Amino acid sequence: KNQVEQSPQSLIILEGKNCTLQCNYTVSPFSNLRWYKQDTGRGPVSLTIMTFSENTKSNGRYTATLDADTKQSSLHITASQLSDSASYICVVGSGGGADGLTFGKGTHLIIQP
Amino acid sequence: DARVTQTPRHKVTEMGQEVTMRCQPILGHNTVFWYRQTMMQGLELLAYFRNRAPLDDSGMPKDRFSAEMPDATLATLKIQPSEPRDSAVYFCASAKPGSYYEQYFGPGTRLTVT
Repeated sequence: KNQVEQSPQSLIILEGKNCTLQCNYTVSPFSNLRWYKQDTGRGPVSLTIMTFSENTKSNGRYTATLDADTKQSSLHITASQLSDSASYICVVGSGGGADGLTFGKGTHLIIQP
Repeated sequence: DARVTQTPRHKVTEMGQEVTMRCQPILGHNTVFWYRQTMMQGLELLAYFRNRAPLDDSGMPKDRFSAEMPDATLATLKIQPSEPRDSAVYFCASAKPGSYYEQYFGPGTRLTVT
């Protein structure tokens, strides 16, 4: 069964600090991996998408990495801001239809002043 | 700035009542998805349409849920009869032709069934 596991479940850090969120998957075949940011009360918004041949992708202070061999991805946030407080969801596509998407349950990140 | 819109944003209803949620996809997007999100399960795909035709609804409880696209600008998700376990946030998302991985989510409908 395809699965996406995210860790930690929740994280609290001080404003200005860096942090790294993890995503491990057992999805086959692999097509792409996307990180979403979901603010409280809002729908998810895409941050990055990576295919099999890409191992890093940046979007401002967000940098995602992908190791397709170990089936791991990480999302690194640099110089965190209060607005980074949100849930971060890892989604892996298996190349089929939209039902080939497997969602992680997310990491809830809180940035404290 | 094109966005997916959903109505209502919040709905509180009693068990047994019918609930209808509506979604307007981004103009030009031909694929529409319905998701349910709970704390326990996270995001789950319920159903999706391409060019208004249902492609998959295997994630949906068939006996009480139904999804339709009466036209290209409107998708509906109906629950009849509703049950307390249906309480969740329901998201609609849309994608442009040829890119169903690039999904744009609406703000969601928070449903509470008492």
